[in-house]
Amino acid sequence: AQKVTQAQTEISVVEKEDVTLDCVYETRDTTYYLFWYKQPPSGELVFLIRRNSFDEQNEISGRYSWNFQKSTSSFNFTITASQVVDSAVYFCALSEGTGRRALTFGSGTRLQVQP
Amino acid sequence: EAGVTQFPSHSVIEKGQTVTLRCDPISGHDNLYWYRRVMGKEIKFLLHFVKESKQDESGMPNNRFLAERTGGTYSTLKVQPAELEDSGVYFCASSQGLGVGYNEQFFGPGTRLTVL
Repeated sequence: AQKVTQAQTEISVVEKEDVTLDCVYETRDTTYYLFWYKQPPSGELVFLIRRNSFDEQNEISGRYSWNFQKSTSSFNFTITASQVVDSAVYFCALSEGTGRRALTFGSGTRLQVQP
Repeated sequence: EAGVTQFPSHSVIEKGQTVTLRCDPISGHDNLYWYRRVMGKEIKFLLHFVKESKQDESGMPNNRFLAERTGGTYSTLKVQPAELEDSGVYFCASSQGLGVGYNEQFFGPGTRLTVL
């Protein structure tokens, strides 16, 4: 069965620090998708990124970057020069198969960025 | 284009009462999913509709939960009778029914349920 582990329950940093959120996943499928979502205090889930299992290329989007390593079953998320607006709960998720199955979420990491 | 909407945004009920949550997916989306986040834990899958049929209901916790999707449009999730442990945020998501490639799930804002 699939599983997503986010070992960091809560992280607190000071503005402008870099922070990495860890995500480790388990799956028996060779085809799967990985995601990161952000849940700000307002409560909605904001999609950040999707990666498929055949694309290990790292991605950078502004201050956000993602490191996907199949060898360690990890999909880590780094925020560079963190800002107060980055404060939120961040969820890593996995969807097995070719794209219509439900998402399996990790327990989330609460990030607090202090001014 | 309107996104996924959920009603109500917040519901406070007493233990033993009944509550019905509603989700309106994006128009034309065949797939509809219910998830919930309880007590600050992970977001857990409840069930998946394809049009009006239940494709996967393996995540439904017990028979106090009843989900319907009449006519393949909006969906309701009824909790009867509600228990304290049902408190949490219930999310709905929808995606298209395209045959090839990943079908992006778009999430609604969630319904926060508080059972006293």
